[in-house]
Order: sequence, then structure tokens, then C-alpha cells
Amino acid sequence: DVKVTQSSRYLVKRTGEKVFLECVQDMDHENMFWYRQDPGLGLRLIYFSYDVKMKEKGDIPEGYSVSREKKERFSLILESASTNQTSMYLCASSFIIGNPQYFGPGTRLTVL
Amino acid sequence: GNSVTQMEGPVTLSEEAFLTINCTYTATGYPSLFWYVQYPGEGLQLLLKATKADDKGSNKGFEATYRKETTSFHLEKGSVQVSDSAVYFCALSDEAGNQFYFGTGTSLTVIP
Repeated sequence: DVKVTQSSRYLVKRTGEKVFLECVQDMDHENMFWYRQDPGLGLRLIYFSYDVKMKEKGDIPEGYSVSREKKERFSLILESASTNQTSMYLCASSFIIGNPQYFGPGTRLTVL
Repeated sequence: GNSVTQMEGPVTLSEEAFLTINCTYTATGYPSLFWYVQYPGEGLQLLLKATKADDKGSNKGFEATYRKETTSFHLEKGSVQVSDSAVYFCALSDEAGNQFYFGTGTSLTVIP
């Protein structure tokens, strides 16, 4: 059974802190994605990666960076968290870009 | 460009009612189409898909038919249950398989 896990379900951080969100998939997928989900805005793509050490900006990359040192792991980094980054963060993976994406359970991040 | 438009929610139905959630798309060529479901507090799960015109995807009593002539992929279920309460997302991947697009989601609440 396919599995995407995220390091935390809930996270509370303070403004200015550096925040790491981790995502691991066990399906040997080439592609991994980070989205944020906000009420009324649906899913918005932050970054995606199509291979180890490769990354592409999505629709809203500002304030975020990513790291993919191993195929199974994709990290989202908030260099200096701000209150407007309070959101639900969803990680996903797929074998090919156009294939169905498999999602993790999400991390609800609150920045105070 | 490519896009997906879903009917606005929220939708509230009584148990055993008929469900339709409208989805239309804009894309060149022949995209693949998907419905995802997100249960409260969870990530998105693939519900069904269709990869070519006139295909019908089905799963768990839900159905959707890929209509090229009306550029639509409406989700239907003949008799909803309380356990179907969730947010439903329509999505497409472009013909080349290079991009994936999500709609904004439609919240469904089924009351006993």
C-alpha cells in the first residue's frame, strides 16, 4: 500500500523561527510536491521536485525553500516563519508528473 | 492555460439523496481527469480517474464520465451516506503529463 508520511500533524511556531516540514514516501516515486491549503483558495503548489537535488518553483514559492537529498525525502523550509504562513501543508508524490498524486495526512502549522 | 472549475460549496444533503458536484475544465488536447476526496483532518485520496473521452471512472459508489464535448467531469452518487461528508477536489493533468491542476474543492455535508 502506498504511503506518504509527514513528520508532524500539528506544529506551533513563533514568528521568525526557522521551520522544517519533512515528508517521506515509500513508493520510489520520482516526483514530490509541497502544497498549502487555505479555506477558499484550494491547493496551491509551493515547490516540486522531479529528481534528487532538483527542484522547481510552484505558484507561491516566496518565503519557502526545499531540499531533496534522498529520493524518498522532501523537506519544506520556512527560513523565517511569519503569521501569514499559518496554513495546512500537504506533501504528495507521483511516479510521473501527470500520474495521480498520493498525499500525506498534512501538517497544520500555526505561526504565532 | 489549463484550469479546473468546480461548483461552489458548501453542499448539504440528507442521507440517501442524489449527489452531483459539477466540474468543468479548460485544457488543450486530451487531459486526464481525477476526483480526490479529503476526509476531515486527513490528506487527499484519489477517488476515481478517467484518462480518455467517454471513460467512466467509478469507486465506492461514485461515478464521473469524461465528456469532451462539454469539457466536464461531474461527480455523482446515487445515495449519499453520512460517511461521505468530505471535501471533493476535481483535478486534471495535461496531455503531456507535465502539469497537474486542482480545483478549489467542494465541501459536502450529509445529515442523517
